[in-house]
Amino acid sequence: KNQVEQSPQSLIILEGKNCTLQCNYTVSPFSNLRWYKQDTGRGPVSLTIMTFSENTKSNGRYTATLDADTKQSSLHITASQLSDSASYICVVSEGGGGADGLTFGKGTHLIIQP
Amino acid sequence: DAEITQSPRHKITETGRQVTLACHQTWNHNNMFWYRQDLGHGLRLIHYSYGVQDTNKGEVSDGYSVSRSNTEDLPLTLESAASSQTSVYFCASSELTGSIDTQYFGPGTRLTVL
Repeated sequence: KNQVEQSPQSLIILEGKNCTLQCNYTVSPFSNLRWYKQDTGRGPVSLTIMTFSENTKSNGRYTATLDADTKQSSLHITASQLSDSASYICVVSEGGGGADGLTFGKGTHLIIQP
Repeated sequence: DAEITQSPRHKITETGRQVTLACHQTWNHNNMFWYRQDLGHGLRLIHYSYGVQDTNKGEVSDGYSVSRSNTEDLPLTLESAASSQTSVYFCASSELTGSIDTQYFGPGTRLTVL
């Protein structure tokens, strides 16, 4: 069964610090991997999407990396801000799959403290 | 601006009642999706539609139904609400068909079944 595991489950860091969130997956065949940000009480919003041939993708202070060989991805947040407090969800798409080919991780809950 | 809305945002109902959650998008997207989000689980797909008159079952479709009579709306109906259906429900839409499409999520509906 396809699985997406995220770590840590939760993380607390001070404002201005950097952090890295991890995503490991067993989805096969692989098509693409996305990171979503979900603020409390809101729906997820897409941050990045990477296909097999991409190993880095940036969106402002967010940088995602992908190692398709080891089936690992990370999301690095630079110079964190209070507004970065949210859950970050890793989603992996199965190659050839449609809507039912998406596997969602449980998310990492990030808290930025002033 | 184009958007995706859900109503109601909060709903309390009793076991056995029929409940309908509304989802409306103004992007003119062909693809629409319903997910539920529970603690300890990633987002799970309930039903999805690739166009008018098209509906498909997702991973957790039992007890739910959808109908697609126009491009803009995909209402989700709980035929006979059960306590196990207490959850936060998210509607999403996307433009492209296939695994590369980015889904845009609504704000969610928090449903409590007593």
